[in-house]
Amino acid sequence: GAVVSQHPSRVICKSGTSVKIECRSLDFQATTMFWYRQFPKKSLMLMATSNEGSKATYEQGVEKDKFLINHASLTLSTLTVTSAHPEDSSFYICSARDPGTRYEQYFGPGTRLTVT
Amino acid sequence: AQRVTQPEKLLSVFKGAPVELKCNYSYSGSPELFWYVQYSRQRLQLLLRHISRESIKGFTADLNKGETSFHLKKPFAQEEDSAMYYCALDHGSGNTGKLIFGQGTTLQVKP
Repeated sequence: GAVVSQHPSRVICKSGTSVKIECRSLDFQATTMFWYRQFPKKSLMLMATSNEGSKATYEQGVEKDKFLINHASLTLSTLTVTSAHPEDSSFYICSARDPGTRYEQYFGPGTRLTVT
Repeated sequence: AQRVTQPEKLLSVFKGAPVELKCNYSYSGSPELFWYVQYSRQRLQLLLRHISRESIKGFTADLNKGETSFHLKKPFAQEEDSAMYYCALDHGSGNTGKLIFGQGTTLQVKP
């Protein structure tokens, strides 16, 4: 099946700094990718839809200036958490839709962000 | 409001017993519903989608619009079915991929 990777798998950063997380579709091209956030022992919450070549669309309540999304190519979307604070610590998961499999959504392994 | 509810955090059964993981949804349009599974230390993966009407690994799920439910069933549980199961709803108009997830149910199949 299709594979989605994320890098890094874990990152620790200091409060006030920015951190970038990459999401790649390894064997298919994805015009649409998604970013989710998962709090401990909670479900996944959709943050935004990343559209190749255009602006991301954000879910209600998600700050677009805080969580910058760039989808510069058909295989790469990046999420930058700007001016990170401890409350941004979370598990961030991306997914990508494969048009070759009826737009089935494939998930990355997730990135654990800890802001100190 | 659009919502997916999985009332059970944990479901524990013995091997060979029937399994039913409950999922209820709230959605004003025609819903597109999915079940995703996450095995230990693995990423989330699609188990089945209602539109396909397929059976994967012996699991089936029927959409009941009257009861707004999409329960996941398997007649005989196997130990390898132990995992976290999420019910999800596509909350865009049509197959947009914008998923709302339920809280998840941990299925534990005991030998």
